Amino acid sequence: QKEVEQDPGPLSVPEGAIVSLNCTYSNSAFQYFMWYRQYSRKGPELLMYTYSSGNKEDGRFTAQVDKSSKYISLFIRDSQPSDSATYLCAMGDGNNRLAFGKGNQVVVIP
Amino acid sequence: DAMVIQNPRYQVTQFGKPVTLSCSQTLNHNVMYWYQQKSSQAPKLLFHYYDKDFNNEADTPDNFQSRRPNTSFCFLDIRSPGLGDAAMYLCATSSVSYNEQFFGPGTRLTVL
Repeated sequence: QKEVEQDPGPLSVPEGAIVSLNCTYSNSAFQYFMWYRQYSRKGPELLMYTYSSGNKEDGRFTAQVDKSSKYISLFIRDSQPSDSATYLCAMGDGNNRLAFGKGNQVVVIP
Repeated sequence: DAMVIQNPRYQVTQFGKPVTLSCSQTLNHNVMYWYQQKSSQAPKLLFHYYDKDFNNEADTPDNFQSRRPNTSFCFLDIRSPGLGDAAMYLCATSSVSYNEQFFGPGTRLTVL
């Protein structure tokens, strides 16, 4: 079993819809959780960072962590065509190394 | 703006011809990382430096080497690139106190 599971299936949504992405993990030592956005042929850009269970909001983005279920989510409200990208979840245990999910390609259709 | 810079953005080399990729940072972070990312895959950690301490991943081929001459710069040397080494190479940094990693724009390597 991989440390981080992220269903890599592409996701197409109409503009204005809510995008829902999630990852599961198996390592209880993970304490830090991140979502990165990666545009085609660019480096990953840190979107959200959290280290506690619960929700964290930043504009149209909400990151949700449930440590008891080992499950994290990212919600994008009022999605825009500019949100079309690959979204990678990542998590760490404080030892300077991150485990990444495979990424979800999101396409927002105008 | 504080940032992570990678040069060149695109690199074309011939099979077996050594190549060096560079990374610099203005964030003054202790830790610098090199990742390899192939199409539709997660970034794969090759190695990282914690200050001057080098940490190699167990499955990183010997063909890949790295140097960190000072806090700001880090280099990735590929001694004899093969066709399978064609990928995006990403440099990232983090502070020892935090776990977020900040990535550069990447260098896309093509091997002919």
